[in-house]
Amino acid sequence: GIQVEQSPPDLILQEGANSTLRCNFSDSVNNLQWFHQNPWGQLINLFYIPSGTKQNGRSSATTVATERYSLLYISSSQTTDSGVYFCAPRAGGTSYGKLTFGQGTILTVHP
Amino acid sequence: GAVVSQHPSRVICKSGTSVKIECRSLDFQATTMFWYRQFPKQSLMLMATSNEGSKATYEQGVEKDKFLINHASLTLSTLTVTSAHPEDSSFYICSARRGAGGNYEQYFGPGTRLTVT
Repeated sequence: GIQVEQSPPDLILQEGANSTLRCNFSDSVNNLQWFHQNPWGQLINLFYIPSGTKQNGRSSATTVATERYSLLYISSSQTTDSGVYFCAPRAGGTSYGKLTFGQGTILTVHP
Repeated sequence: GAVVSQHPSRVICKSGTSVKIECRSLDFQATTMFWYRQFPKQSLMLMATSNEGSKATYEQGVEKDKFLINHASLTLSTLTVTSAHPEDSSFYICSARRGAGGNYEQYFGPGTRLTVT
């Protein structure tokens, strides 16, 4: 199956700082989602981005499918951004329908 | 928006008993739902894919007789953990697929924390 690698595994920031999270995947994909899991366990949809760039408030995401990576940018971090960020691509073929989750990036934003 | 609910949010049960977890898509119909399990400080692991009106598809290594899945309607899937044991204690999360064909998003419920004593 598709392999997903996220970096960095941990990131500690001061409020107001910017950050870039990376997701590398081993196979071609026809879907990719970014999620934020808050401290209570809820996964929140951030982006559905199989290719291209999208912006939403202080965050944006870019997926370069041909080079098999996606980036999540968070600007002007706030303490409420803390949590785990997961990248989950979906490959075609026999894996059709299944998202494969990376191990996540744990983001901690200090006031 | 796309809202998925789960009930209960937290359950404690005794070893040997069964527990049922409900997953509902509140504002959209979902022919396909997914059940995940997450251990502390780990990623989500897909357990099974639940299709409305048909049998669930289980991932390798997941015991289908232990984790019973029923997708009885376009808005409800249930996971029953039968004869629960302490090693079944975990965070169980469902998700529902919104959209059709190859172009869809998954939306997640808030999770159910199961503790088996």
